[in-house]
Amino acid sequence: AQTVTQSQPEMSVQEAETVTLSCTYDTSESDYYLFWYKQPPSRQMILVIRQEAYKQQNATENRFSVNFQKAAKSFSLKISDSQLGDAAMYFCAYRGKQGAQKLVFGQGTRLTINP
Amino acid sequence: KAGVTQTPRYLIKTRGQQVTLSCSPISGHRSVSWYQQTPGQGLQFLFEYFSETQRNKGNFPGRFSGRQFSNSRSEMNVSTLELGDSALYLCASSLGVTGDYTFGSGTRLTVV
Repeated sequence: AQTVTQSQPEMSVQEAETVTLSCTYDTSESDYYLFWYKQPPSRQMILVIRQEAYKQQNATENRFSVNFQKAAKSFSLKISDSQLGDAAMYFCAYRGKQGAQKLVFGQGTRLTINP
Repeated sequence: KAGVTQTPRYLIKTRGQQVTLSCSPISGHRSVSWYQQTPGQGLQFLFEYFSETQRNKGNFPGRFSGRQFSNSRSEMNVSTLELGDSALYLCASSLGVTGDYTFGSGTRLTVV
């Protein structure tokens, strides 16, 4: 079974600085999706960025980028120029392309932005 | 366009009762999935429906059930509620079985 591990329960960063959230996963599949979701106090899970495993190029969405290391099964999220609105729980998630295509989530990292 | 709508937002029930939660997906989305979120267990997959058929089911007891209607709206039901069923229940919809999920704001269920 696939597992996702986020080893940082909490992180904090100064506004305008850069922060990196870590995620590792375990799978025997060769092709799959990886995601970072943001969950603010409003509770809605918002997709931040997605990465397809067969694509070697790291995904980027504005201030958000990932460092995808397939061999190491590592998928970290870098947030540049942190803003107060980035404060939230961040979840790393895995989704296979075969069989049950459910999302498997990590335990989450609570990100605090200090003004 | 309207997002994923979950009703109600908050619910308080007594142990032993049953509850039904509703999820209206984004228009045109045919796949609906349900997740349970608790502080202890995190986010866990409950089930997924596509075109009124349950495609996948998570590792939850038979007290948890769901269904999907022809308009893609979905309901989940929990019978004989237990204190441990207190959680945030999130619904997500996608265009097809491989599309990206859009989540609703969830239903916060408290069992007393």
